[in-house]
Amino acid sequence: GQNIDQPTEMTATEGAIVQINCTYQTSGFNGLFWYQQHAGEAPTFLSYNVLDGLEEKGRFSSFLSRSKGYSYLLLKELQMKDSASYLCAVRGNSGNTPLVFGKGTRLSVIA
Amino acid sequence: EAGVVQSPRYKIIEKKQPVAFWCNPISGHNTLYWYRQNLGQGPELLIRYENEEAVDDSQLPKDRFSAERLKGVDSTLKIQPAELGDSAVYLCASSLPGLLNEQFFGPGTRLTVL
Repeated sequence: GQNIDQPTEMTATEGAIVQINCTYQTSGFNGLFWYQQHAGEAPTFLSYNVLDGLEEKGRFSSFLSRSKGYSYLLLKELQMKDSASYLCAVRGNSGNTPLVFGKGTRLSVIA
Repeated sequence: EAGVVQSPRYKIIEKKQPVAFWCNPISGHNTLYWYRQNLGQGPELLIRYENEEAVDDSQLPKDRFSAERLKGVDSTLKIQPAELGDSAVYLCASSLPGLLNEQFFGPGTRLTVL
């Protein structure tokens, strides 16, 4: 089976940096995705990691350590509009394995 | 480019009634997914199509749920009869062929069963 764990809620201040962690246990590994979901809206793709290391994309970066079953999403220069849920999703290594989502971390950015 | 389109956006029905959701994926996306998302949870896959073939429906409650994608483009998801526990957001997503490709989600249908 697959298990994905991430904090339920986080609060951070506008302009600051926040790191959202995700740990996973899967039958094999074939990629980790981060999605952003604003309340009442669809998830939107943020990043994809399949190799160890850091992927940077503007204010957002995502890190992966396959040996530790660990990833984090780093958000810099936080803006109020970054208040949303951030979903970690993992795919196993079987061709028919679906994308398994964590429960999401609800981030609140305060002034 | 148009995104994934879903309708209706909201649906309120009484238990034991049938309900259907419609999805139009992004043009050229052969892979289509139906997810269910309960409040405070991540999306859970119900069924995945490659063209018109359902290649993963292991999580679909087949006693009351059914889905089709007859021409390999639009898809419908049906629940009959609906139960109180079916209240959730039903998300449709599509992607290019291959499991490593990014999934694009539609706005979802929020179902409330009374």
